[in-house]
Amino acid sequence: NAGVMQNPRHLVRRRGQEARLRCSPMKGHSHVYWYRQLPEEGLKFMVYLQKENIIDESGMPKERFSAEFPKEGPSILRIQQVVRGDSAAYFCASSPQGLDSGYTFGSGTRLTVV
Amino acid sequence: GESVGLHLPTLSVQEGDNSIINCAYSNSASDYFIWYKQESGKGPQFIIDIRSNMDKRQGQRVTVLLNKTVKHLSLQIAATQPGDSAVYFCAENERGNQFYFGTGTSLTVIP
Repeated sequence: NAGVMQNPRHLVRRRGQEARLRCSPMKGHSHVYWYRQLPEEGLKFMVYLQKENIIDESGMPKERFSAEFPKEGPSILRIQQVVRGDSAAYFCASSPQGLDSGYTFGSGTRLTVV
Repeated sequence: GESVGLHLPTLSVQEGDNSIINCAYSNSASDYFIWYKQESGKGPQFIIDIRSNMDKRQGQRVTVLLNKTVKHLSLQIAATQPGDSAVYFCAENERGNQFYFGTGTSLTVIP
């Protein structure tokens, strides 16, 4: 069991470019959560998805950010027209049956906007 | 909004000593709590959890204590080892879709 896989591990983008972050949940997990961590801060919830559905996006900025979890393939967090303030570590977690059933994090993608 | 905070941002302990990391939370309706360990460059790693119907839970070398009266959570690590050096976060959930994380306490173990 490879665990939650995130790629790339590091991503550098110039201001105005698009960033695409990928998350493959653990085998058998159909629930995916994205969190953002600013330097020296705790993780902040962004979005919760199940296959083909966004369940809760209350933590997502209203503009430029979107997430999907298609029937086939990894979950994608997309950030359009990145700005320096988007620089952070983005973590994905997965669970088999929702939050109460255990929550495993990936190693994260560190986005740097230059 | 939720407020989960830690009393001390940094903690240094001698190898072999016991460590206690504290966490205060503000939402009295929270009923599920997890302690995570995060090493540099890695994702949070589950350590131990506790539900609000319990006061204490023990794992291997770790104990979590929950005091609902004062909304306080603590993580005790017995016989702290150099490999325990990391940032420790408490996280709370109120039957919603997300965990609210504290800022973290950096634990340094001195050999």
